[in-house]
Amino acid sequence: DTGVSQDPRHKITKRGQNVTFRCDPISEHNRLYWYRQTLGQGPEFLTYFQNEAQLEKSRLLSDRFSAERPKGSFSTLEIQRTEQGDSAMYLCASSSRTNTEAFFGQGTRLTVV
Amino acid sequence: QQQVKQSPQSLIVQKGGIPIINCAYENTAFDYFPWYQQFPGKGPALLIAIRPDVSEKKEGRFTISFNKSAKQFSLHIMDSQPGDSATYFCAASIGFGNEKLTFGTGTRLTIIP
Repeated sequence: DTGVSQDPRHKITKRGQNVTFRCDPISEHNRLYWYRQTLGQGPEFLTYFQNEAQLEKSRLLSDRFSAERPKGSFSTLEIQRTEQGDSAMYLCASSSRTNTEAFFGQGTRLTVV
Repeated sequence: QQQVKQSPQSLIVQKGGIPIINCAYENTAFDYFPWYQQFPGKGPALLIAIRPDVSEKKEGRFTISFNKSAKQFSLHIMDSQPGDSATYFCAASIGFGNEKLTFGTGTRLTIIP
């Protein structure tokens, strides 16, 4: 068990480009969450999967954002037509059906220039 | 709309002191209140959590005090050490415990030798 893994750790992109992040949860965890954290703030909930089903999406997740978890294992978060306001740390977390603890990955830091 | 208010924003305590971080919530449907610790460049890690049916929970040097009528909860760190220097976030959620965590804005704690 290597914990929640996120890739890449850092991404710098030009405004208007598309970016995709990947999250590999802990292997037996069926729940997966995406959060966004800006400097000096707490993480903000973006979306949540149980297995492959996306059960909830925050209104923060505009139509430029899309998340998938096609086989109930890894997940991807894509941001289309990035804006400078998208610059943040994108955190992934996972948990199991029987354990209330959510384990967070180290995050992907996105900088839009 | 911030549903979990956290204070102070930063805190400096001498080694051995007892830092206290406070949080207040608005949504009475919240029924799970975790505290997370975050070191620079890392994702948040669960420290301790409480449900509203108890007023206090201790795990090692960390204690949560919970006041349901006041809708407030706090984290106390006993015998604080320089290694406890980190950012601490309170959070709250409804239901099983992990769906849609609402985080406070964080407290940057520094323990000086």
